[in-house]
Amino acid sequence: EVQLVESGGGLVQPGRSLKLSCAASGFTFSNYGMAWVRQTPTKGLEWVASISTGGGNTYYRDSVKGRFTISRDNAKNTQYLQMDSLRSEDTATYYCASFTSGYRRYFDYWGQGVMVTVSS
Amino acid sequence: EIVLTQSPTTIAASPGEKVTITCRASSSVSYMYWYQQKPGASPKPWIYDTSKLASGVPNRFSGSGSGTSYSLTINTMETEDAATYYCQQWSSTPPTFGGGTKLELK
Repeated sequence: EVQLVESGGGLVQPGRSLKLSCAASGFTFSNYGMAWVRQTPTKGLEWVASISTGGGNTYYRDSVKGRFTISRDNAKNTQYLQMDSLRSEDTATYYCASFTSGYRRYFDYWGQGVMVTVSS
Repeated sequence: EIVLTQSPTTIAASPGEKVTITCRASSSVSYMYWYQQKPGASPKPWIYDTSKLASGVPNRFSGSGSGTSYSLTINTMETEDAATYYCQQWSSTPPTFGGGTKLELK
């Protein structure tokens, strides 16, 4: 059974940092592209960042470029999201997700989500 | 960035009723994807490659469309179908989602 388990969320002050982790099991992690997707009641679902199977290619939404860093450790079956210079608008539930390869891409497995609250 | 606009935003349907949710893209996309989300749960893939049902999805669901207009249809509404449905494209980066359609039981 595929499992993606996020951790590391919490309450953080604006301008501070937080690192999310996502532990994967039940599939060959190194064969899958991985992503972070966040959700808020007002903005809905937003793709945040994605990383290729080997970690050599990373992509970010414009609003987090230069502040967030996605990475992965295939030996540990884990991906990460380092979030620096956090803003109130980063407050959301963050989901770890795998995505299919090729040009027909979608998010095929999701974690349960972790809450990040940015507030003073 | 391709903007996806779903309609209606909210819809109420009685058991046995036919339901159609529309997703319009600001530019042409090759395929559309749909997710179902219930309160407190993460989104679940529901329809992929525009018209293929994900594992475990009842065949009363169907997907169709091309270009800038796509739809999800439930042939006969059932109680368990009450949820929020989101469309998603990744024909171009960034991948984007529609704003969601909340389907309620009447």
